[in-house]
Amino acid sequence: DSGVTQTPKHLITATGQRVTLRCSPRSGDLSVYWYQQSLDQGLQFLIQYYNGEERAKGNILERFSAQQFPDLHSELNLSSLELGDSALYFCASSVGVAASSGANVLTFGAGSRLTVL
Amino acid sequence: AQSVAQPEDQVNVAEGNPLTVKCTYSVSGNPYLFWYVQYPNRGLQFLLKYITGDNLVKGSYGFEAEFNKSQTSFHLKKPSALVSDSALYFCAVRDPSRNSGNTPLVFGKGTRLSVIA
Repeated sequence: DSGVTQTPKHLITATGQRVTLRCSPRSGDLSVYWYQQSLDQGLQFLIQYYNGEERAKGNILERFSAQQFPDLHSELNLSSLELGDSALYFCASSVGVAASSGANVLTFGAGSRLTVL
Repeated sequence: AQSVAQPEDQVNVAEGNPLTVKCTYSVSGNPYLFWYVQYPNRGLQFLLKYITGDNLVKGSYGFEAEFNKSQTSFHLKKPSALVSDSALYFCAVRDPSRNSGNTPLVFGKGTRLSVIA
C-alpha cells in the first residue's frame, strides 16, 4: 500500500455522462498530481495542486476539471465523456512544491480505471 | 520543453542474464531523472533517481541506472534478471532550471520488460 488512496478502482459509464474520481494523498503530502494513462498516449500529466491551489496544468481537456479540498484530498471531474476518455487515471502525491522539492519522489495510487461505452 | 524517450516498446531477456532498459532525455539544463516500475493492475512504484553526484545510481530490487550527460541518457540496468522483474518500466524527467516544484514530472511511454525463465 503506497498510502495514496484512489476511488473508485473501476468505473463503467456511458458517453455523455459525468464522473468524479477521488484521491487521498499520502499523509503529510501537500501536492497532488493527476495523470492519465492510455495505451496510445502513455502517461500524460493533467494537473497539479498544492495545498488547495492549482500549480501546474498539462494537457487537460476543458471537459475535465479538478480541485483540492482543505483536507488535501482531490477530485478529478470528467464530463461529457467520450469513448477516447477510457483510460487509467492515476493520482500521485509528494511532500512539497518549492523549487528545492523538485527532486521529491511522487507516490502513486493504484489508479481508477474508467471505461466509457 | 522537457521530454524523455524510451526507444524500445518491449525488451525480452532470459532469466539470469543482464538487462538494460534504455532512456534518453531532453531538457535545457541539468535534469532530475527517475525510473518507476508498474506491475499489472498496480500504480507506479519508484525505483531510483538521479539528482546530482555519482553518475551510477543504485535503487530498489537490485536495479541501477547510469547517467550519461554527453549522450543524454539514463539507462536502467540489472546484472541478473528475475522473472519477477517482468513489468512496465517508465523513465521520467524534470527540469530543475525552472521552478521545479511546479514543473510536472514528464514520463516516457514505457518499456515492457519480459523476463523468460
